[in-house]
Amino acid sequence: EAGVTQSPTHLIKTRGQQATLRCSPISGHTSVYWYQQALGLGLQFLLWYDEGEERNRGNFPPRFSGRQFPNYSSELNVNALELEDSALYLCASSPQGSYNSPLHFGNGTRLTVT
Amino acid sequence: KNQVEQSPQSLIILEGKNCTLQCNYTVSPFSNLRWYKQDTGRGPVSLTIMTFSENTKSNGRYTATLDADTKQSSLHITASQLSDSASYICVVTSPNAGNMLTFGGGTRLMVKP
Repeated sequence: EAGVTQSPTHLIKTRGQQATLRCSPISGHTSVYWYQQALGLGLQFLLWYDEGEERNRGNFPPRFSGRQFPNYSSELNVNALELEDSALYLCASSPQGSYNSPLHFGNGTRLTVT
Repeated sequence: KNQVEQSPQSLIILEGKNCTLQCNYTVSPFSNLRWYKQDTGRGPVSLTIMTFSENTKSNGRYTATLDADTKQSSLHITASQLSDSASYICVVTSPNAGNMLTFGGGTRLMVKP
């Protein structure tokens, strides 16, 4: 079984630019979650998509947005990049409604804003 | 405010020794408590998941305990190996707001030869 895949693995942008990060969930998983992990800090919840709909979002400004496609893959967009957006962005997937099943994480996209 | 606090923040032990990591939470109500292992630069990997009715669960050399009354959990690692060097993250799921996960800040474990 292929795991959660994220692309690109590394991304370097300058302040003010836009970044697009991509995630492919495990086959059969309909829920996709996005998390931000700044260096040395814990995971902060960004967005949750299920069946193509945004189900919840964390305490982040509107310039963080995303979408989920009909094949359940997902995209995270960060507009007007700021230096503090530099972080590891992790995507995770799970089957729909499986509250007691583990989240499966990808290895992340390392975003560096200069 | 729902919180998950982990201690210690970091820990160094010698290979072959045992260690115990702590997790205290205020999330209420909760569906389950999870422990994840995260190697540097990689995504977290699930170690255990316990519902409120379970008080212990093992995964190889990893044993998690849960006391839902005191809202405390621990992760015990037996006969540590160099490959155990990683961050260990405690995560609590709440049925409020769609079973969202609250992550602790993690314990950074280093196992030395």
